[in-house]
Amino acid sequence: EDQVTQSPEALRLQEGESSSLNCSYTVSGLRGLFWYRQDPGKGPEFLFTLYSAGEEKEKERLKATLTKKESFLHITAPKPEDSATYLCAAGPYGSSNTGKLIFGQGTTLQVKP
Amino acid sequence: DGGITQSPKYLFRKEGQNVTLSCEQNLNHDAMYWYRQDPGQGLRLIYYSQIVNDFQKGDIAEGYSVSREKKESFPLTVTSAQKNPTAFYLCASSITPWGELFFGEGSRLTVL
Repeated sequence: EDQVTQSPEALRLQEGESSSLNCSYTVSGLRGLFWYRQDPGKGPEFLFTLYSAGEEKEKERLKATLTKKESFLHITAPKPEDSATYLCAAGPYGSSNTGKLIFGQGTTLQVKP
Repeated sequence: DGGITQSPKYLFRKEGQNVTLSCEQNLNHDAMYWYRQDPGQGLRLIYYSQIVNDFQKGDIAEGYSVSREKKESFPLTVTSAQKNPTAFYLCASSITPWGELFFGEGSRLTVL
């Protein structure tokens, strides 16, 4: 069964305290691993797509990495405005003509000044 | 600016009533989707459409219906057959079925 699990469910950091969010996936072949940011009461906003193990992508204080079993979202020197829920989603090979994604439950990050 | 517009943002419904959530996009995307979000759960796919006049059921289609008469529009009807309709509903679109999703701001439905 295709499954995506994110950990931890919630994370509190002090401003400037770097950390990582984990996304473990079990899918029948991976066509893409997606990261989104969601602010309270809003729709998710696209951050990254990773396609193959070893791939890395960066955007400001965020860096996403991918292995054959999991993805990490590294947050370097976070600021309070980085506070949000981060969603991970995997696209199985069989969904290439449907766009179906398997979403994790999200990690809610709070960065205190 | 291009984007996805969902309305209404908040909706209250009495049990037994059907309600329709609107989703309009001006991104010229072919693929459109409806997801449901509940606290502590991942987004779950309700329906998706890759082209006008065609749509398929997602994982939790029971109690919902959609139409795709125009490329820009993909309304979702929550029927009285949906047992637990209170949730946050998200509409999304993508350039291709395998591309990243662009989401609307969401519609929060509460059944009284």
